[in-house]
Amino acid sequence: EVQLLGSGGGLVQPGGSLRLSCAASGFTFSTYAMNWVRQAPGKGLEWVSAISGSGGATYYADSVKGRFTISRDNSKNTLYLQMNSLRAEDTAVYYCAKEPVPGTMWYYFDYWGQGTLVTVSS
Amino acid sequence: DIQMTQSPSTLSASVGDRVTITCRASQSISSWLAWYQQKPGKAPKLLIYKASSLESGVPSRFSGSGSGTEFTLTISSLQPDDFATYYCQQYNNYCTFGQGTKVEIK
Repeated sequence: EVQLLGSGGGLVQPGGSLRLSCAASGFTFSTYAMNWVRQAPGKGLEWVSAISGSGGATYYADSVKGRFTISRDNSKNTLYLQMNSLRAEDTAVYYCAKEPVPGTMWYYFDYWGQGTLVTVSS
Repeated sequence: DIQMTQSPSTLSASVGDRVTITCRASQSISSWLAWYQQKPGKAPKLLIYKASSLESGVPSRFSGSGSGTEFTLTISSLQPDDFATYYCQQYNNYCTFGQGTKVEIK
């Protein structure tokens, strides 16, 4: 059974940093691209970032480019999102999400983590 | 950037109703469209991909159609478990979601 367990969220001041993690199990993690998608309170879904299975290719939404870094440790079956220079508008539930087809990046998602809440406030 | 616009934003319906949600893309996305269902406090769930392909395990009362810029999600007979918010998402060029359609009890 595929499971994605996100963690690392919390309250951080504007300008601060936070690192999210997503522990994966139930599939061959290294062969699937992974993504982060966020949802501000009461709002819709916004794609944040993607990373290939090997970790060699990364992609970002314009809203986070230069501030967020996606990475993965395939030996630990774990996805990360390093978030720096955080702003109030980054407040959201952050979901990790798995791509459906190994070895590809389709940018749609068949499994999602439970979400971890990041609140940026002074 | 490709913009996705859903209509209506809110839909009131009764159990057993046929429900249709529309999603329009700002430019052609071929058939690279997915639909998700989200319930309060939960992660989205994939229903449909490639505009009309039903994800494994999703009830057959859900169906998708369309190509190019106009797409629909249809629920043939609304069930109590279907009251939720539905999102379309294009994946022709990275990923963009519609603003969501909330299906509520009439």
